[in-house]
Amino acid sequence: DIVMTQSPESLAVSLGERATINCKSSQNILYSSDNKNYLAWYQQKPGQPPKLLISWASTPETGVPDRFSGSGSGTDFTLTISSLQAEDVAVYYCQQYYITPRTFGQGTKVEIK
Amino acid sequence: QVQLQESGPGLVKPSQTLSLTCTVSGASITSDDYYWGWVRQHPGKGLDWIGYTYYSGITYYNPSLKSRATMSIDTSKSRLSLKLTSVTAADTAMYYCAGGSSIVATVGYWGQGTLVTVSS
Repeated sequence: DIVMTQSPESLAVSLGERATINCKSSQNILYSSDNKNYLAWYQQKPGQPPKLLISWASTPETGVPDRFSGSGSGTDFTLTISSLQAEDVAVYYCQQYYITPRTFGQGTKVEIK
Repeated sequence: QVQLQESGPGLVKPSQTLSLTCTVSGASITSDDYYWGWVRQHPGKGLDWIGYTYYSGITYYNPSLKSRATMSIDTSKSRLSLKLTSVTAADTAMYYCAGGSSIVATVGYWGQGTLVTVSS
């Protein structure tokens, strides 16, 4: 199985400041034939199911605020919240969908400082 | 839009079978454009696949469940079912019905989840 490792486990950021979450896969998830990274990011707010934010490592879902961006390739990926808002308090998960099983990272909790 | 709604008992006794259903609306459960499955989340923990399936028959089950899990599709009622046998307290979790595009394979659709407690 591909192991997805997120860092940090939690972070506290001041309102309006940048939050950066890292995700590392135990093997390459860039598919050479289509040059796509099979990496998604999810946001889970307290008491809610997860919500898909970004697919293909950097393609936001419709309606996702543009302060959320994804980057990276191969085995190292980053989710950036450029200007943290109160409604962004949540746990964020990365997931690879390159091969079965489509494993998730352990999550990163984002709080307000 | 696609909606998923879980239903089932919130309390199951140890050694019994946990049975949940997920009603799918807004998409054809028999279309190979989609896949459907179950994700569970232990209290305060991360997300784990129980399994996922395509109507064509391709199915994945988490090996950690040691063959205790079975999913099935009821096409007449547009429902996905989950049965988990021989439950223990370790199966206490929030159970989410989940699905997505078979092309992209991300989880674009989530139910609200149903909390199942295993206790006598």
